[in-house]
Amino acid sequence: NAGVTQTPKFQVLKTGQSMTLQCAQDMNHNSMYWYRQDPGMGLRLIYYSASEGTTDKGEVPNGYNVSRLNKREFSLRLESAAPSQTSVYFCASSRQQNEKLFFGSGTQLSVL
Amino acid sequence: EDQVTQSPEALRLQEGESSSLNCSYTVSGLRGLFWYRQDPGKGPEFLFTLYSAGEEKEKERLKATLTKKESFLHITAPKPEDSATYLCAVTDSNYQLIWGAGTKLIIKP
Repeated sequence: NAGVTQTPKFQVLKTGQSMTLQCAQDMNHNSMYWYRQDPGMGLRLIYYSASEGTTDKGEVPNGYNVSRLNKREFSLRLESAAPSQTSVYFCASSRQQNEKLFFGSGTQLSVL
Repeated sequence: EDQVTQSPEALRLQEGESSSLNCSYTVSGLRGLFWYRQDPGKGPEFLFTLYSAGEEKEKERLKATLTKKESFLHITAPKPEDSATYLCAVTDSNYQLIWGAGTKLIIKP
């Protein structure tokens, strides 16, 4: 059972470069999420998609965009990377909001 | 402002030494409280959901309890493989999930 699959696992960018983080789930979940995790801080929500066709901003959306491509896939794009975006990024999914989340294994992103 | 605070930040125990982790919260209209376990280099893994004060859930050496202000994760006779960071999160009345910063638990053999 694959669950939630994220790619890539590691990425190094230069300031100003762009990239897209990919996420796919095979559990037929309605809701998907993108989080960032920084040392000493809780998980912070970047964007979420409560259901296919909808996306909403979370706590820290600036500098990011998302696309809910279909029910399975939810991508996160950094248009012009900044050092402040150095972090570990997690994609997650749940059957509905307020239900348990299933997480991917994370992407370690460094912006130099 | 809705807030979740976990304590302690880190806890070192000897194998077999029981203890508790705390998650205190201030949130408008609690809809649920979640506990997750996170191993280094991995995503969080779901442990428990609690919905109302007085509720308890158990899994192996772990037991989660909930009051109107806080939740405890009790660990009984821990083993080294229980070492991980334990995360607490609450859902408010708008279904927004608010996370604590976690407690890093280290169990020494």
